[in-house]
Amino acid sequence: AQSVTQPDIHITVSEGASLELRCNYSYGATPYLFWYVQSPGQGLQLLLKYFSGDTLVQGIKGFEAEFKRSQSSFNLRKPSVHWSDAAEYFCAVGYSGYALNFGKGTSLLVTP
Amino acid sequence: SAVISQKPSRDICQRGTSLTIQCQVDSQVTMMFWYRQQPGQSLTLIATANQGSEATYESGFVIDKFPISRPNLTFSTLTVSNMSPEDSSIYLCSVEAGQSYEQYFGPGTRLTVT
Repeated sequence: AQSVTQPDIHITVSEGASLELRCNYSYGATPYLFWYVQSPGQGLQLLLKYFSGDTLVQGIKGFEAEFKRSQSSFNLRKPSVHWSDAAEYFCAVGYSGYALNFGKGTSLLVTP
Repeated sequence: SAVISQKPSRDICQRGTSLTIQCQVDSQVTMMFWYRQQPGQSLTLIATANQGSEATYESGFVIDKFPISRPNLTFSTLTVSNMSPEDSSIYLCSVEAGQSYEQYFGPGTRLTVT
């Protein structure tokens, strides 16, 4: 069955430290891959997406993600976290013409 | 790109009543999706709505409880019927739009059932 796994439910990092959020998927063919962020009481905002081509994709707010086909992973990274990055992060996967399959999310806490 | 609006943005409803949520897109789209996000949870697909055909529901969701209309290529409604406190969630509609596969999400409707 198709699945999306975000292994970390909660992550705490210090402001200024680097961040990596993990996402693994299980799909027959390589799907399209997305990262969304949801701040408390806010809607979903698309951080970045991967369709094809360069496996390192740049997104908004200084985020990047790397697609690794051999590991079926699409991990999100940021070199230096800001307090405003505290939010819920969702990895989502799908094919054109179909709804997205969301991971359970990772809650990021940023400490001073 | 696509800009999506939803009405209402939030509502508090009594048990046993129904609420209809509207989703309006600023461009014509073939497929619209309805998701539910229960408190502290991820998004779960309720159904896929294509214009001119019956909506396709995911396992665990039935038409009697979540009837969907899709009268044209820019509009859809989701009704939450005979509500119970377990229906308290954020309901989001989304569309696939543009030349590249990208899904856009509405701001959501925050529903509380008392």
